[in-house]
Amino acid sequence: GENVEQHPSTLSVQEGDSAVIKCTYSDSASNYFPWYKQELGKGPQLIIDIRSNVGEKKDQRIAVTLNKTAKHFSLHITETQPEDSAVYFCAEGGSASKIIFGSGTRLSIRP
Amino acid sequence: EAQVTQNPRYLITVTGKKLTVTCSQNMNHEYMSWYRQDPGLGLRQIYYSMNVEVTDKGDVPEGYKVSRKEKRNFPLILESPSPNQTSLYFCASGPTRGSNQPQHFGDGTRLSIL
Repeated sequence: GENVEQHPSTLSVQEGDSAVIKCTYSDSASNYFPWYKQELGKGPQLIIDIRSNVGEKKDQRIAVTLNKTAKHFSLHITETQPEDSAVYFCAEGGSASKIIFGSGTRLSIRP
Repeated sequence: EAQVTQNPRYLITVTGKKLTVTCSQNMNHEYMSWYRQDPGLGLRQIYYSMNVEVTDKGDVPEGYKVSRKEKRNFPLILESPSPNQTSLYFCASGPTRGSNQPQHFGDGTRLSIL
């Protein structure tokens, strides 16, 4: 069945450094790849998404890259700040009406 | 303010006692969905609905029911809750039918089944 693998499960970076989270998916028909950020006690919130006809998308300090051939996509956060500390989820959707999430990455920013 | 509202936010109950978690969205969204979140497993989809009176199973539907009688509401029903349904539950909605769109999430309902 469809599956999304997300790595790493935890990530600690120095404030100001970059953070990269990677996901691999199995369904070649998927065409939508969102990233969600979940802060403590809150529901996930969309931070960026990419569709299969695009290889890269950027929004200020956040970027997402997609490699459809290899079936993987990555979240890049540059110049990390304390407020970037959260749990991040990748997901794939579009091939059916279900959406499949990765298992999450807990990102900690060290001052 | 555009939002997805879940109630209750917290509930402790006992095995076998039927419960309903309500979900309401004020964005006129077509798509609504329920997820459960467990440590190390991420978010797993329980049920989803693409329109009024249309519901479909997600990856972990066993032990749950849903209904979509009105566009704005999508309650999650546990007819006979069991301890393995102890989890953090999220409702979400999306503007159009299908999973290839951003979803707006509620703030979650933490259920403990004793």
